[in-house]
Amino acid sequence: AQSVTQPDIHITVSEGASLELRCNYSYGATPYLFWYVQSPGQGLQLLLKYFSGDTLVQGIKGFEAEFKRSQSSFNLRKPSVHWSDAAEYFCAARNTGTASKLTFGTGTRLQVTL
Amino acid sequence: GAVVSQHPSWVICKSGTSVKIECRSLDFQATTMFWYRQFPKQSLMLMATSNEGSKATYEQGVEKDKFLINHASLTLSTLTVTSAHPEDSSFYICSANRVGNTGELFFGEGSRLTVL
Repeated sequence: AQSVTQPDIHITVSEGASLELRCNYSYGATPYLFWYVQSPGQGLQLLLKYFSGDTLVQGIKGFEAEFKRSQSSFNLRKPSVHWSDAAEYFCAARNTGTASKLTFGTGTRLQVTL
Repeated sequence: GAVVSQHPSWVICKSGTSVKIECRSLDFQATTMFWYRQFPKQSLMLMATSNEGSKATYEQGVEKDKFLINHASLTLSTLTVTSAHPEDSSFYICSANRVGNTGELFFGEGSRLTVL
């Protein structure tokens, strides 16, 4: 079955430190890949997406992600975390096709200490 | 562009009543919309896929008679929670696939339902 795995439920980093959130997918073919952020009580905001091409993808708020086919991974990174980055982060994937559903990972809660 | 609006953003109702949530694509047409449910501190779980002019496809374990989905036009899908109970309290989020676009889905702001 198709799935998205986020191994880390909760991560705490100090403000200014670097961040890497892990995401692995299990699909027959390389799916479209996404990272979303959700603040408490809010909807989702798209950080970045990967469809094809350059495996290093730049997103908003200084985030980037690297697609590694050999590892079936799409890890999210940020070189210097700000306190406002504290939120829930979801990795998601979907196959091509209009009716193809988007499958979410379980999420990683990021806490930022000052 | 590609804005999806949900209404209401929050609703409180009594147990046994029905609640309708609307999902509108404001500036594009969507042949397919998806409804998700999110319980506190959990991920988003797909409830159903809604196609314009046809019956929705429900995920395993989702009661189609309880969660009625209607996709009457290319810009509107509705989710009706019938005979709501406290266990239906959740955050419901819709997303839409723009006609001609098979990549990114566009999400509404979500609707928080609290059943007393």
